[in-house]
Amino acid sequence: TQLLEQSPQFLSIQEGENLTVYCNSSSVFSSLQWYRQEPGEGPVLLVTVVTGGEVKKLKRLTFQFGDARKDSSLHITAAQPGDTGLYLCAGESGANNLFFGTGTRLTVIP
Amino acid sequence: KAGVTQTPRYLIKTRGQQVTLSCSPISGHRSVSWYQQTPGQGLQFLFEYFSETQRNKGNFPGRFSGRQFSNSRSEMNVSTLELGDSALYLCASRGTGWRGEQYFGPGTRLTVT
Repeated sequence: TQLLEQSPQFLSIQEGENLTVYCNSSSVFSSLQWYRQEPGEGPVLLVTVVTGGEVKKLKRLTFQFGDARKDSSLHITAAQPGDTGLYLCAGESGANNLFFGTGTRLTVIP
Repeated sequence: KAGVTQTPRYLIKTRGQQVTLSCSPISGHRSVSWYQQTPGQGLQFLFEYFSETQRNKGNFPGRFSGRQFSNSRSEMNVSTLELGDSALYLCASRGTGWRGEQYFGPGTRLTVT
């Protein structure tokens, strides 16, 4: 079983603060995705990272893929209430398999 | 381009009954995957269909089954429902040139009483 552990599991911060969410595994993935899910909806793809050490920025969100392609992080700068949601990482391995992380539930308080 | 659609959005069933959920993928997508999401277990993979064939299967009992039609629409069936089957069932589709990027529908919230 290729387990993706996310930390923290829950995070509650004030608007304007910065935060980092981690996604760790003992397995190597050929790519890794981050999704955000809002209540009552399906996850929405935010980004895909493919190369070890790769960094991608999406406005205030910065995603990094570990050098060994076993872990990833999501950093949010100046969090806003609209960032509230469940953040999920997902790793792709061979044979079209996609494994989802345990999730981080973020609440940004106005 | 229309997104992934799932019907129904909400469903209430009684233990022992069976249920069929439907998913229409994004036009042109031939792969459809199904997931079960619960607060305790997170998002768990059920199975994936590609061109009407089951390509991958998760670790769920045989009560959970699916199929895909020639137009790529997919159905998932759960027989002999149990209380523990209460969950959000998500369908996701993806196209060619896959890098793990899936597009999810809004889900079907199933409650078993």
